[in-house]
Amino acid sequence: QSALTQPRSVSGSPGQSVTISCTGTSSDVGHYNYVSWYQQYPGRAPKLMIYDVSERPSGVPDRFSGSKSGNTASLTISGLQAEDEADYYCCSYAGNYTWMFGGGTKLTVL
Amino acid sequence: QVHLVQSGAEVKMPGASVKVSCKASGYTFTSFAIHWVRQAPGQRLEWMAWINADTGHTIYSQKFQGRVTFTRDTSASTAYMELSSLRFEDTAVYYCAREGLYGSGSFYTYWGQGTLVTVSS
Repeated sequence: QSALTQPRSVSGSPGQSVTISCTGTSSDVGHYNYVSWYQQYPGRAPKLMIYDVSERPSGVPDRFSGSKSGNTASLTISGLQAEDEADYYCCSYAGNYTWMFGGGTKLTVL
Repeated sequence: QVHLVQSGAEVKMPGASVKVSCKASGYTFTSFAIHWVRQAPGQRLEWMAWINADTGHTIYSQKFQGRVTFTRDTSASTAYMELSSLRFEDTAVYYCAREGLYGSGSFYTYWGQGTLVTVSS
């Protein structure tokens, strides 16, 4: 199983919006609406930010939103804040009770 | 309140085995699957396996089939990961995570704190 493809890094200034892409195949991202996104600070466990492509768990700011088109899912963070600087990972169900993560994207807030 | 508490850091010699535990509390253990995820230093998250906490049935990532065994003890509400014939490249933080309660459930709402396994001679 190879990883889903994410940009290695993205950056933006406070207040701006950034979008992180997550590209898979027609067997995973393109086939199932089971894409989730995680935020991870160094040395910490990941935190769920988006599930089922575009659903936001309670407590996650509405600045975070998710979408999907074809084999590519996206996480958009609007109104960037310094605390958003972290690593972000997408994850997709790939069928037969298997899942796969993306390569991770480092978000830098300039 | 849901908690997943993992066992402490381990340092092992190459060729040895390690067993990491993940104790669940705050919910009915057998009602939700447990997943295991690995993260080598500075690297991405890697999905390792899904275990049905009720039946013990496990699905492995192809990459981890062979040297790793996932089990659970329902009486102790604890899941285990045992990795044998350790190699230097097995040095990583190993996480357990519980599947979600709502929607598809195909995501991880709760994570253990992670267990660092260091393979060193």
